[in-house]
Amino acid sequence: QQQVKQSPQSLIVQKGGISIINCAYENTAFDYFPWYQQFPGKGPALLIAIRPDVSEKKEGRFTISFNKSAKQFSLHIMDSQPGDSATYFCASGLFYGNNRLAFGKGNQVVVIP
Amino acid sequence: ETGVTQTPRHLVMGMTNKKSLKCEQHLGHNAMYWYKQSAKKPLELMFVYSLEERVENNSVPSRFSPECPNSSHLFLHLHTLQPEDSALYLCASGQGVTNEKLFFGSGTQLSVL
Repeated sequence: QQQVKQSPQSLIVQKGGISIINCAYENTAFDYFPWYQQFPGKGPALLIAIRPDVSEKKEGRFTISFNKSAKQFSLHIMDSQPGDSATYFCASGLFYGNNRLAFGKGNQVVVIP
Repeated sequence: ETGVTQTPRHLVMGMTNKKSLKCEQHLGHNAMYWYKQSAKKPLELMFVYSLEERVENNSVPSRFSPECPNSSHLFLHLHTLQPEDSALYLCASGQGVTNEKLFFGSGTQLSVL
């Protein structure tokens, strides 16, 4: 059972464009929704995260939009740069507790100059 | 550097071999995790240790045996693996009280022949 579904699987964006990747979750009890960024040869690193008390969170060029009723959240990368080319994983889970955080399959984003 | 170091970076082993993966964290965290990353699949949580005690074992085959001698070190002992076990094995650490911000190592790329 896949608790978190990401789309699209891969994305090619022109430099300066907007990259949008989406994530759908199933468990309505979850209250923590992070996005992790992974470069080749490296482990995933936390990029940005949101909790359901807000519908949007922005950090620099990265924004999470959260839709609780639709059980969806998305990552927007504004002014995409070649250095943003990476695999992006969304995850969902409980904020408190050191147990499972359900990850998606990952979206590969390629930003072309 | 994330503060989580994994060795070796690459490992090739036969199905009858016994090997161990090592993870070390220098962040003062009290929870450590093993994840399995396979192509086009979600990150799969294998084991969770909190304060050196195993708190989660996600129905992982017994050919994988974790060990956490202290809060800074985590091992994954491997024996009689199968070719389908070939994957990137990621170690992560966290505060343990919350799922906020897991720190991942760069992983061990394992190939089972």
